[in-house]
Amino acid sequence: QKEVEQDPGPLSVPEGAIVSLNCTYSNSAFQYFMWYRQYSRKGPELLMYTYSSGNKEDGRFTAQVDKSSKYISLFIRDSQPSDSATYLCAMSYGGATNKLIFGTGTLLAVQP
Amino acid sequence: ETGVTQTPRHLVMGMTNKKSLKCEQHLGHNAMYWYKQSAKKPLELMFVYNFKEQTENNSVPSRFSPECPNSSHLFLHLHTLQPEDSALYLCASSQEGGGSGTGELFFGEGSRLTVL
Repeated sequence: QKEVEQDPGPLSVPEGAIVSLNCTYSNSAFQYFMWYRQYSRKGPELLMYTYSSGNKEDGRFTAQVDKSSKYISLFIRDSQPSDSATYLCAMSYGGATNKLIFGTGTLLAVQP
Repeated sequence: ETGVTQTPRHLVMGMTNKKSLKCEQHLGHNAMYWYKQSAKKPLELMFVYNFKEQTENNSVPSRFSPECPNSSHLFLHLHTLQPEDSALYLCASSQEGGGSGTGELFFGEGSRLTVL
């Protein structure tokens, strides 16, 4: 069983839709949960970061962590064509950044 | 130059060639990383350097040889590669020592490697 599972997509939605991206994980020791966004031909960039359970909101983006279910989500409201990218979830045990475990990434296409 | 820069952006090499990938970070960070990104697979951590010292080698084959001459530069020397080594190689940097584990890695745009 993979430590982190993520549906690779692709996911295609119309502009303005609410997008839900998800990851599940198997190791309950993970403490830090992140979402990276990767545009085509670019490196990933940190989008959202959450410690332990709960929600975090930043503009149109909301990150949710449910540690009891080992499930994390990223919601994008009022999606825009500029949101088209690959979204990678990542998580760590804490303390050392270099222990990030990534999902495969979900390719999102927002159609104008 | 800002952020993390990688050269070359694209590289095609034969199985008997020797080439190197270069990474430079302009962020004043003290840790640098090499990741491999293949289609439909998670990012694979290859090597980690903290303060120029290698702290992690995730069972990477010896045909990949990293070098970190200082905290701003990182190289990945390649020799006698296999076609399955074709992938996007990403360099990243971070500031370690805070212990917060925030996970903010700053990535370069990657070097797309094709092994014929």
